[in-house]
Amino acid sequence: AAGVIQSPRHLIKEKRETATLKCYPIPRHDTVYWYQQGPGQDPQFLISFYEKMQSDKGSIPDRFSAQQFSDYHSELNMSSLELGDSALYFCASSWTSDNEQFFGPGTRLTVL
Amino acid sequence: ILNVEQSPQSLHVQEGDSTNFTCSFPSSNFYALHWYRWETAKSPEALFVMTLNGDEKKKGRISATLNTKEGYSYLYIKGSQPEDSATYLCALTTDSWGKFQFGAGTQVVVTP
Repeated sequence: AAGVIQSPRHLIKEKRETATLKCYPIPRHDTVYWYQQGPGQDPQFLISFYEKMQSDKGSIPDRFSAQQFSDYHSELNMSSLELGDSALYFCASSWTSDNEQFFGPGTRLTVL
Repeated sequence: ILNVEQSPQSLHVQEGDSTNFTCSFPSSNFYALHWYRWETAKSPEALFVMTLNGDEKKKGRISATLNTKEGYSYLYIKGSQPEDSATYLCALTTDSWGKFQFGAGTQVVVTP
């Protein structure tokens, strides 16, 4: 069965650079969630989208933005990267009426 | 932000032994509790979604119980096998739109 796809799997950037993380949900899933897990920390909710509209917002810095496209894939754009942005970024998708979230393998971002 | 706590943080188990660990959460504002199994470099894999007080779910040698009144869930592994080695994440949602509030996870290592 198709799973959630995230790309790239690993990304290395310098401070003050930008990064774009992509998430491709399971076919027919209409909701996408982004989570950030820093070293030694719990995964933290960043933002979610339902039917291409932002549905909820968590602790996402103003330097980050995200959107969901017409094909339901989502992109997380991160600008002016800081060392503290180094983390594992998870994407999850779900179908509206089902509370269960399916996770991708994550993108590991390292900021040097 | 809900405070979801998992204990213990890590667990070493002999192959064949049974084990259990806990997820604790505030009993108010509860909608659903999710258990995930997460192996390094892989996607977290959904184990159970639990919504009702007294709910009990089973999947092979793994089972879970839920007490919403006192705010805890137990995950049990019967006859642990090396392939059970993983981090087990607990996540709580407060509504059907379900951004997750994660615990820190319990890392289980099963040694032959």
